[in-house]
Amino acid sequence: EAGVAQSPRYKIIEKRQSVAFWCNPISGHATLYWYQQILGQGPKLLIQFQNNGVVDDSQLPKDRFSAERLKGVDSTLKIQPAKLEDSAVYLCASSLVSYEQFFGPGTRLTVL
Amino acid sequence: ELKVEQNPLFLSMQEGKNYTIYCNYSTTSDRLYWYRQDPGKSLESLFVLLSNGAVKQEGRLMASLDTKARLSTLHITAAVHDLSATYFCAVDESSGSRLTFGEGTQLTVNP
Repeated sequence: EAGVAQSPRYKIIEKRQSVAFWCNPISGHATLYWYQQILGQGPKLLIQFQNNGVVDDSQLPKDRFSAERLKGVDSTLKIQPAKLEDSAVYLCASSLVSYEQFFGPGTRLTVL
Repeated sequence: ELKVEQNPLFLSMQEGKNYTIYCNYSTTSDRLYWYRQDPGKSLESLFVLLSNGAVKQEGRLMASLDTKARLSTLHITAAVHDLSATYFCAVDESSGSRLTFGEGTQLTVNP
């Protein structure tokens, strides 16, 4: 069974630029999550989708972050404009409804 | 707001020794996960604990859950170098919702 796929794996941008990350969940997983992991910390949920709909985006900085999940499969997370404090690893995870989450390899973002 | 605290945050131990990592959380939950993360890698699921008194074992690692005490433990038996990694516990407040992670325990096993 293929795991959660993410791209790109690494991205370096200057502050105030825009960036987008892509995630393809495990086939059949209805729930998709985006987490932000700052160096030395545990991951923090940014947004949770159930199929196409947003379940929880209470910790998403909506003035600069946006996410969508078209057709209930792939998802993109965008940051516009980026700040220095957005430097982190962005992890995508997926799960069957109400069950264990499986994580992708992550995208390491460096904002200069 | 759910708080999840792990201790210790850093653990250096000798091969062959035993040790326990503790995970305390602040609100009612009966679903707790343990993950392993190697440097520069993603999170690997180790254990899923779904009820009070749950105990799971895999190799040299054993995890348990006491929902009344809001405490989970990850016990390491006869540590080997390959266990060196960061270990996270994560609590699911309500079935299928966000995971709230602890700060992680960075484990180093010295030969």
